[in-house]
Amino acid sequence: GQNIDQPTEMTATEGAIVQINCTYQTSGFNGLFWYQQHAGEAPTFLSYNVLDGLEEKGRFSSFLSRSKGYSYLLLKELQMKDSASYLCAVMDSNYQLIWGAGTKLIIKP
Amino acid sequence: ETGVTQTPRHLVMGMTNKKSLKCEQHLGHNAMYWYKQSAKKPLELMFVYNFKEQTENNSVPSRFSPECPNSSHLFLHLHTLQPEDSALYLCASSQDSGGAYNEQFFGPGTRLTVL
Repeated sequence: GQNIDQPTEMTATEGAIVQINCTYQTSGFNGLFWYQQHAGEAPTFLSYNVLDGLEEKGRFSSFLSRSKGYSYLLLKELQMKDSASYLCAVMDSNYQLIWGAGTKLIIKP
Repeated sequence: ETGVTQTPRHLVMGMTNKKSLKCEQHLGHNAMYWYKQSAKKPLELMFVYNFKEQTENNSVPSRFSPECPNSSHLFLHLHTLQPEDSALYLCASSQDSGGAYNEQFFGPGTRLTVL
């Protein structure tokens, strides 16, 4: 079957750096997405990786290793507003998104 | 209105009621999606429409009935639901439903409670 694994919850301190991991097993691969979802709000797009390596976008970076079925989202200079759930999703060979259950990130002052 | 809108934002219904969820996208996209989001579970894709044609139905019970009259509007008709159907129902849209890079834009969701 298809499976996306990510930690259920993480806690970090304001101003610090946190890395949220995602491992996947899917039938085919057409890219990996990260979304942010604040409580009670819509998921919003953060990043897309289809080739191996690191994509940087401001305070957020996303890394992909296709051979290892692994990705991470790196958040730097954490702010209180970064408290949210972070969803990892992989597009399979049928161009369908397979979603992880999300990682709830708690930022403490 | 911009982006993807959903109404109502909250809905409480009994198991014998009939109700409908509405989604509208103002992005000029051709594909629209219904997802179910339950606490601590992955997003479950329910239905996909591409150019008004249903292209995916992921074994969703018949008590959920989608309707897509045009590329901008999507409905989810509900009848004789069960308490386990209580969840957040998210609508999304994308340029189309095929192709590798296909960012999906989500609406705020309808929080459904079935009593």
